[in-house]
Amino acid sequence: NAGVTQTPKFQVLKTGQSMTLQCAQDMNHEYMSWYRQDPGMGLRLIHYSVGAGITDQGEVPNGYNVSRSTTEDFPLRLLSAAPSQTSVYFCASSFTAGTQGGYTFGSGTRLTVV
Amino acid sequence: DAKTTQPPSMDCAEGRAANLPCNHSTISGNEYVYWYRQIHSQGPQYIIHGLKNNETNEMASLIITEDRKSSTLILPHATLRDTAVYYCIVRVPNQAGTALIFGKGTTLSVSS
Repeated sequence: NAGVTQTPKFQVLKTGQSMTLQCAQDMNHEYMSWYRQDPGMGLRLIHYSVGAGITDQGEVPNGYNVSRSTTEDFPLRLLSAAPSQTSVYFCASSFTAGTQGGYTFGSGTRLTVV
Repeated sequence: DAKTTQPPSMDCAEGRAANLPCNHSTISGNEYVYWYRQIHSQGPQYIIHGLKNNETNEMASLIITEDRKSSTLILPHATLRDTAVYYCIVRVPNQAGTALIFGKGTTLSVSS
């Protein structure tokens, strides 16, 4: 049981490049979400999914796309990277959206856009 | 989500109990108390949660006052690996689309 796996752990992009941050969980969690964490800003929700085939926007969705074709995977795509997207990105999951339990977080992807 | 207040930092000797307080005087009846921690450069880690009863798991104990206006997270035998920032959050359980709001938390330093 690996939990939530994020790849890559580190990435440097040039402005305008695109890339996909991968997130996979093996706990059969229905709810998955993406956060970014910036100094002094706490965690900000980018996108989330309540199940396969269902996604929705969080509070800071601009510049990011997501899809959820399987229960296990929830990739985050940066369409055209900008320096403002330099951040640490965390994927988090839980059994369902309404479960009492806490989220399981991945170890993060540290992205630098130059 | 209700607002929480935590001391900015605490120290604890290795092997001793670490008691981390949290004030949440405006908590609503349907909001739970959650505790997470974040060790430097790692993802946040869920520790424990509760509504009004005291809770215990393999990581910690959670003591919630009868009026639910405050709580204490107890790490019974702190180790160096427990050095982290601890966040107390009150929220309705895992509402889809509502972000976890981490305040400034308490930086716990465990020393030998």
